[in-house]
Amino acid sequence: AQTVTQSQPEMSVQEAETVTLSCTYDTSENNYYLFWYKQPPSRQMILVIRQEAYKQQNATENRFSVNFQKAAKSFSLKISDSQLGDTAMYFCAFMNSGGSNYKLTFGKGTLLTVNP
Amino acid sequence: KAGVTQTPRYLIKTRGQQVTLSCSPISGHRSVSWYQQTPGQGLQFLFEYFSETQRNKGNFPGRFSGRQFSNSRSEMNVSTLELGDSALYLCASSWSGGEYGYTFGSGTRLTVV
Repeated sequence: AQTVTQSQPEMSVQEAETVTLSCTYDTSENNYYLFWYKQPPSRQMILVIRQEAYKQQNATENRFSVNFQKAAKSFSLKISDSQLGDTAMYFCAFMNSGGSNYKLTFGKGTLLTVNP
Repeated sequence: KAGVTQTPRYLIKTRGQQVTLSCSPISGHRSVSWYQQTPGQGLQFLFEYFSETQRNKGNFPGRFSGRQFSNSRSEMNVSTLELGDSALYLCASSWSGGEYGYTFGSGTRLTVV
């Protein structure tokens, strides 16, 4: 079974600064997908960024980028120019590819607070 | 376009009762998944439906069941409620199976007393 570990339960950052959230995972599969989702107080989970394991290039979405290290099974999220609206719970998630493995395995989450 | 709609937003039930939660996916999305979120266990996968067929099921007791209708709307049912079933239940939809990312609803907060 796959596991996802987020070792930082809470983090804080000053507005406009950069912060990196850590995520490691364990799998014996070679092809899979990795995600970062954010959950603000409104409760709705929002997709931040997605990475396909067979792509070596790190995904980027505006201020959000990842550092994907497949051999180390590491998938960290970097948020640049942090904004107050980035305050949320951030979840790292894993999904196998192929077959009917359409389910996400989530980490426990990192609560990020952006301070003015 | 309308997002994923979950009803009701809040629900209070008594132990032993049963409850049905509803989820309307984004128009055109055929895959609907359900997750349970609790402070202790975090986010756990319940089941996934595609075109009215359950493709995947998580490790939950048989008291948890679901179904999907021909219009892709989905319901989940929990029978004989226990205090430990108190949780936020999230529904997510996607075109195929979530490999490109899910769109989540705002959840139903179920409290069992």
